Amino acid sequence: DAGVIQSPRHEVTEMGQEVTLRCKPISGHNSLFWYRQTMMRGLELLIYFNNNVPIDDSGMPEDRFSAKMPNASFSTLKIQPSEPRDSAVYFCASSLDSIQETQYFGPGTRLLVL
Amino acid sequence: AQSVTQLGSHVSVSEGALVLLRCNYSSSVPPYLFWYVQYPNQGLQLLLKYTSAATLVKGINGFEAEFKKSETSFHLTKPSAHMSDAAEYFCAVKTSYDKVIFGPGTSLSVIP
Repeated sequence: DAGVIQSPRHEVTEMGQEVTLRCKPISGHNSLFWYRQTMMRGLELLIYFNNNVPIDDSGMPEDRFSAKMPNASFSTLKIQPSEPRDSAVYFCASSLDSIQETQYFGPGTRLLVL
Repeated sequence: AQSVTQLGSHVSVSEGALVLLRCNYSSSVPPYLFWYVQYPNQGLQLLLKYTSAATLVKGINGFEAEFKKSETSFHLTKPSAHMSDAAEYFCAVKTSYDKVIFGPGTSLSVIP
């Protein structure tokens, strides 16, 4: 299996622009997670889906952030409008289920908002 | 609510020395516990996990961790450090009722 695939790997944008991050989970995995990693705040869970349904979005920082999972093989995380403080590495992870199973992380998208 | 703390944001060991990375958790119900490793510019990958079976858990690359309920700890050890072990290590806790919580991470440096 190719593992979790994320695109783009790097994104540089200007403040106010819309940013869309993409994720393809491992085939057969039922749960998908979006994380943000910064030096100041560490690794934060933003949202997770189970069977394409958002279960917990309490980690989404504000209304500028939105996530969708239209089908079992694709998810997006959108920031609109983007701000410099959104600069971080965003990881997508998937697992067989959301309880005790191992999470498999993608390589991340490094976002820089100028 | 559950939480996890990792004592020491940065640990340095000599090559061949014992590696000990500390993790303490707080949970009102029996937890699942994980150690993940992150190499530079990569995502996290699982080292090992405890899911209420044996209290001593063996993982990849020679790492192991022991679940001690009385101490609410799940420390990660490796008898002999290798240069390739230099990375960031994250302890994580989860219950059947809640999302996974990651600790702040410990950066391990291995000195030749």
